[in-house]
Amino acid sequence: AQKITQTQPGMFVQEKEAVTLDCTYDTSDPSYGLFWYKQPSSGEMIFLIYQGSYDQQNATEGRYSLNFQKARKSANLVISASQLGDSAMYFCAMSPDTPGGFKTIFGAGTRPFVKA
Amino acid sequence: DSGVTQTPKHLITATGQRVTLRCSPRSGDLSVYWYQQSLDQGLQFLIQYYNGEERAKGNILERFSAQQFPDLHSELNLSSLELGDSALYFCASSVGVAYNEQFFGPGTRLTVL
Repeated sequence: AQKITQTQPGMFVQEKEAVTLDCTYDTSDPSYGLFWYKQPSSGEMIFLIYQGSYDQQNATEGRYSLNFQKARKSANLVISASQLGDSAMYFCAMSPDTPGGFKTIFGAGTRPFVKA
Repeated sequence: DSGVTQTPKHLITATGQRVTLRCSPRSGDLSVYWYQQSLDQGLQFLIQYYNGEERAKGNILERFSAQQFPDLHSELNLSSLELGDSALYFCASSVGVAYNEQFFGPGTRLTVL
C-alpha cells in the first residue's frame, strides 16, 4: 500500500539552527516523485522541493535540501538557518507511478515552531 | 502568488445542495489536480486531468465530479452535500502529467450547514 509517514507532529527549533523534518514512504512502484510543501497559517500550499526516485543527487533549493535515502525509503527535509517565518505546517508527499496514474499521497504533516 | 486561481474563496451552503468550484491553472500548465483538506482526513487527492482528459482518480466520492474544459480551466461539482463535506478544496496545476511540482491555488473553503 502507498503510504507517507511523518512522525513529528510538532517541534521547537531555535532560530538560525538547522532542522530536519522526517518523512518515510512506502511504495512498491519503482518510479515515483517526492515533494515537500509548506502550509503557513494563512492556508496556502507552497511548493518547496522535488526529488525523483531515479535522481542520483539530493535535491536542494536555497535553504531547503532533501535527504533522500532510497534504500531506507526516507525523504527528510532539512531547513538550514531557521527563520521565524519557517513556523508552519510542512507536508511530505509522494506521486507513485501506479497503473491507475499518479495519485499524490500526503503525510499528516509536521509543524516546527521557530523561536527567537 | 502561485498563478493558480480558484473561485469562490468561501462557500456556505446547506446539506443536500450542489455547488461548483472553479479553478484556472497557471499559464502553460496542462494538468489540473483537485484535493480535499479536512481536519480528520488530512490532504486527500481527488482527481487529476491532463489536457482535458481524466488521468488519475483518487478518493473521490460518487457525489463529486470534475471536468477540464478546452481552455484548461476545471470545475469540481459537489452534489447532495453532507456535513462531512465541509473542508478546504485545493486545485493545483503542473506542466506535465507526472514528475512535476504542483502549484496550488488559494483554496475554496466549503462550509455545509
